[in-house]
Amino acid sequence: DAGITQSPRHKVTETGTPVTLRCHQTENHRYMYWYRQDPGHGLRLIHYSYGVKDTDKGEVSDGYSVSRSKTEDFLLTLESATSSQTSVYFCAIGPEGNQPQHFGDGTRLSIL
Amino acid sequence: GENVEQHPSTLSVQEGDSAVIKCTYSDSASNYFPWYKQELGKRPQLIIDIRSNVGEKKDQRIAVTLNKTAKHFSLHITETQPEDSAVYFCAAQSTGGFKTIFGAGTRLFVKA
Repeated sequence: DAGITQSPRHKVTETGTPVTLRCHQTENHRYMYWYRQDPGHGLRLIHYSYGVKDTDKGEVSDGYSVSRSKTEDFLLTLESATSSQTSVYFCAIGPEGNQPQHFGDGTRLSIL
Repeated sequence: GENVEQHPSTLSVQEGDSAVIKCTYSDSASNYFPWYKQELGKRPQLIIDIRSNVGEKKDQRIAVTLNKTAKHFSLHITETQPEDSAVYFCAAQSTGGFKTIFGAGTRLFVKA
């Protein structure tokens, strides 16, 4: 299995609170991604990173920010969580060239 | 923008029958096509992939075909077993691209 660790694995929080999810990799891959998965919507890209301090928006980036200060860590922050952000969040990593992405085990986030 | 359409959204087959999932991509620059299987509560995992210089690839009971002219690619599972029950995602990447465009997923049920 690819060396990807997501933390926390589960979180329940209240509307309006800030939330940070962490993705840690040991593969030294350049590219890292955050997706959310909701019933009927498949995998939707939130943000991605193509290097340290280099990030860009995906298709559903509103309400989310990211940071990558080290190759191995990619953080996803919900500044003020809303109930619509209740979802399963997957981190993925990808090497150079046309190679498959590999996913972490996911974080189940519930916002009440 | 780039898009991958996947059909059907749900597929139910009898154990031992074959299952076929079809995808169509829009970006003519796409040249790498991975397939992922996601079991309930688990992360998506790569099961097979194909590159644009190949028309077909097999791995035991699963095979993938690619028709570049029509921009179609398909996953074939033969002699289905209950453990094949899962959600399957097709995806497309382009040369030099690091973003993967995912289909919406197909939920496969294999009835014993």
